[in-house]
Amino acid sequence: EDQVTQSPEALRLQEGESSSLNCSYTVSGLRGLFWYRQDPGKGPEFLFTLYSAGEEKEKERLKATLTKKESFLHITAPKPEDSATYLCAVQSGGGADGLTFGKGTHLIIQP
Amino acid sequence: DTGVSQNPRHKITKRGQNVTFRCDPISEHNRLYWYRQTLGQGPEFLTYFQNEAQLEKSRLLSDRFSAERPKGSFSTLEIQRTEQGDSAMYLCASRRPGEVQEAFFGQGTRLTVV
Repeated sequence: EDQVTQSPEALRLQEGESSSLNCSYTVSGLRGLFWYRQDPGKGPEFLFTLYSAGEEKEKERLKATLTKKESFLHITAPKPEDSATYLCAVQSGGGADGLTFGKGTHLIIQP
Repeated sequence: DTGVSQNPRHKITKRGQNVTFRCDPISEHNRLYWYRQTLGQGPEFLTYFQNEAQLEKSRLLSDRFSAERPKGSFSTLEIQRTEQGDSAMYLCASRRPGEVQEAFFGQGTRLTVV
């Protein structure tokens, strides 16, 4: 059974204080790893797809990286508007098409 | 690209009543997914359609739940004889055909069973 574990559960940073969120996964053949951002009361918003170990993707202050066992979402010089829950999900090669999500990291950026 | 649309946004119902939610996917997306999310948890997969065919159902989808996607366009999710444990956010997502493509989510329907 596919499993995704995200850490920390919650993270409070000062504006401008860079950090990283972790997503560890166990899957039967990774087809893709996805990062989403979710604001309170809204649906997840797509950020990145990573396909293979060593891959990196960037968007504004966010950078996602992938190894064979985990992914990191690096946040550089965050701003208060980056406050949200960040979700990691995997699509496995085990035949299932739906995504398996972690519980998310609740990120708060204080001005 | 108008995005995935879900209606209603909020639904309050009494225990034992039936409810139905609607999802309109992005027009060129042939795959449509339903997820359920409870407070403090990530979304959990329920079922998915490729065009009008329902191809996969999670063990979470009890026999009180039924989903349809007539003509491969919009989809409905019905819950019969609702229970308090059904209270959650129900999310719909759609994506393009292909081996691995990102899914785009709607804003969800928040169900409260009282």
